[in-house]
Amino acid sequence: DAKTTQPNSMESNEEEPVHLPCNHSTISGTDYIHWYRQLPSQGPEYVIHGLTSNVNNRMASLAIAEDRKSSTLILHRATLRDAAVYYCILRGLNYGGATNKLIFGTGTLLAVQP
Amino acid sequence: ETGVTQTPRHLVMGMTNKKSLKCEQHLGHNAMYWYKQSAKKPLELMFVYNFKEQTENNSVPSRFSPECPNSSHLFLHLHTLQPEDSALYLCASSQGVGASYEQYFGPGTRLTVT
Repeated sequence: DAKTTQPNSMESNEEEPVHLPCNHSTISGTDYIHWYRQLPSQGPEYVIHGLTSNVNNRMASLAIAEDRKSSTLILHRATLRDAAVYYCILRGLNYGGATNKLIFGTGTLLAVQP
Repeated sequence: ETGVTQTPRHLVMGMTNKKSLKCEQHLGHNAMYWYKQSAKKPLELMFVYNFKEQTENNSVPSRFSPECPNSSHLFLHLHTLQPEDSALYLCASSQGVGASYEQYFGPGTRLTVT
């Protein structure tokens, strides 16, 4: 059980921002929020992760709610290459045991229209 | 992306064959993982190795036998597989097994058991 809730699918237009939501109401104080994506016929790709503060990297931004019960992955300008399944995953001892394993759910399928 | 490589990329084997999947990471990481991705199912963690020691076996049948000779290499030995074992097998690595570490995935081996 991934303990996160994401929409099954979303659509975006190329070159527009995309906000991918994730709810994780049972998050505990030591759980990290990880985002991965999987393009068709490829292995998953790490996108970003955070604990409490918002995070930015070259791929995306992660906005974490003040109560940490939800987060949003932001792609600032969607491209056709961003069409993928996006997974929001909590990582911590409560979900992954001693190895803090990643537990993948079904994710959000993002379609990008030209 | 050449951080984590997997060979072969495609494999067809009969139920009585013995074959091995190979994974190599060039990132200087200490932890390595095997995942299985079946059609229309979420990724499932199979094994975790940390500093060459197996730290997690996610109730995987004994016909799958992992081997980690050093922190850079991981093998999955296959014997007497069943058709339902046909799937994409993914290798990943991370600096550590803590919740703050991200995982980097290889491209996967597409296995078909006939």
